[in-house]
Amino acid sequence: RKEVEQDPGPFNVPEGATVAFNCTYSNSASQSFFWYRQDCRKEPKLLMSVYSSGNEDGRFTAQLNRASQYISLLIRDSKLSDSATYLCVVVMFSGGYNKLIFGAGTRLAVHP
Amino acid sequence: ETGVTQTPRHLVMGMTNKKSLKCEQHLGHNAMYWYKQSAKKPLELMFVYSLEERVENNSVPSRFSPECPNSSHLFLHLHTLQPEDSALYLCASSPTDRRGGDYGYTFGSGTRLTVV
Repeated sequence: RKEVEQDPGPFNVPEGATVAFNCTYSNSASQSFFWYRQDCRKEPKLLMSVYSSGNEDGRFTAQLNRASQYISLLIRDSKLSDSATYLCVVVMFSGGYNKLIFGAGTRLAVHP
Repeated sequence: ETGVTQTPRHLVMGMTNKKSLKCEQHLGHNAMYWYKQSAKKPLELMFVYSLEERVENNSVPSRFSPECPNSSHLFLHLHTLQPEDSALYLCASSPTDRRGGDYGYTFGSGTRLTVV
């Protein structure tokens, strides 16, 4: 079983749509959770942290369910500029460093 | 600029060549990482250096050889690579004293490597 699993997509949605991505992780000892965004041929960039209480940043809402080992990202009112690959990331702190484990990513294409 | 600088941005090399990738950060971080990203695959952690000591080596073939001469610089020496080694190689750095939360993990822009 993969450590972090995501639906690869692509999700093709019109501007203004609401889209949700899901992610599951296998290691219950995982300590922190994030969503990253990666544009084509660029490095990943941190989008937002994910907490059990849920957190919102503008049009983006992230949620963690530790019991189900499930992470979600909701994007409201999609913009063309949201087109990218969204990476689910879990973090373990071990031996003096943070080990990031990445999902393969979910591709989003927003069209006019 | 991300605070982590990688050079070169693009590299084409033959299977018999020797080349090196360079990563540099001046963020005061003490951990540095090499990741490999192949098409349609997750980022794979290759090596980790914490306080200039290699602490993780994820079964990477010996044709990849990392070097960390100080906490600001990280190299990946390449020799006798195979075409399947073509990928985006990303460097990252982070502090060593933060657990989860705001852990300050920063990626470089990557080197896109093509082996011919």
